[in-house]
Amino acid sequence: GAVVSQHPSWVICKSGTSVKIECRSLDFQATTMFWYRQFPKQSLMLMATSNEGSKATYEQGVEKDKFLINHASLTLSTLTVTSAHPEDSSFYICSARGGLAANEQFFGPGTRLTVL
Amino acid sequence: GDSVTQMEGPVTLSEEAFLTINCTYTATGYPSLFWYVQYPGEGLQLLLKATKADDKGSNKGFEATYRKETTSFHLEKGSVQVSDSAVYFCAPLANAGGTSYGKLTFGQGTILTVHP
Repeated sequence: GAVVSQHPSWVICKSGTSVKIECRSLDFQATTMFWYRQFPKQSLMLMATSNEGSKATYEQGVEKDKFLINHASLTLSTLTVTSAHPEDSSFYICSARGGLAANEQFFGPGTRLTVL
Repeated sequence: GDSVTQMEGPVTLSEEAFLTINCTYTATGYPSLFWYVQYPGEGLQLLLKATKADDKGSNKGFEATYRKETTSFHLEKGSVQVSDSAVYFCAPLANAGGTSYGKLTFGQGTILTVHP
């Protein structure tokens, strides 16, 4: 149980385009989802927290107009990187919280974004 | 806010050696404590956890004890294997109220390489 998937697992896009990453909780209802960014050989940086049906809460320094987060249902959250640039290239990881393990986060496998 | 200090790596060991990765934290209130493992190119997997003082989390031969008096959660394994090569993250989960509630704070990660 408690499986979280992400799609796509990797994506390459041109500078200026937008990319959408999906995060799904497969076998539980995720009341809260988290989006992290990880640079090579570095730790995870929390970008934002989203609760189903409400606006995401962004961490300080994260541009909400650039990283659009939607949590439209209890099993799906999306992160859209708008007008992507090479410096947005990174590993994006989502996690989900909910179900019986109320305070534990379950992580997706991550999405590798490369912006050319 | 919460913070985590992990033993700097990389750590290189021979198979069957003893492993210790130190982790100390600062947190408001009484956090739950987690160790996550990240294999190359993958997302995070929960390795073990402890939710209260003196609890010992264990999994796959790894152990860590919640030491409230020293605010530490050191990871140990008596005999490492090549397959343990990965990045290990210590992470307290804020349980107190406020803006940090329910958020994980990650250490910088410790790269472990085990040679045959």
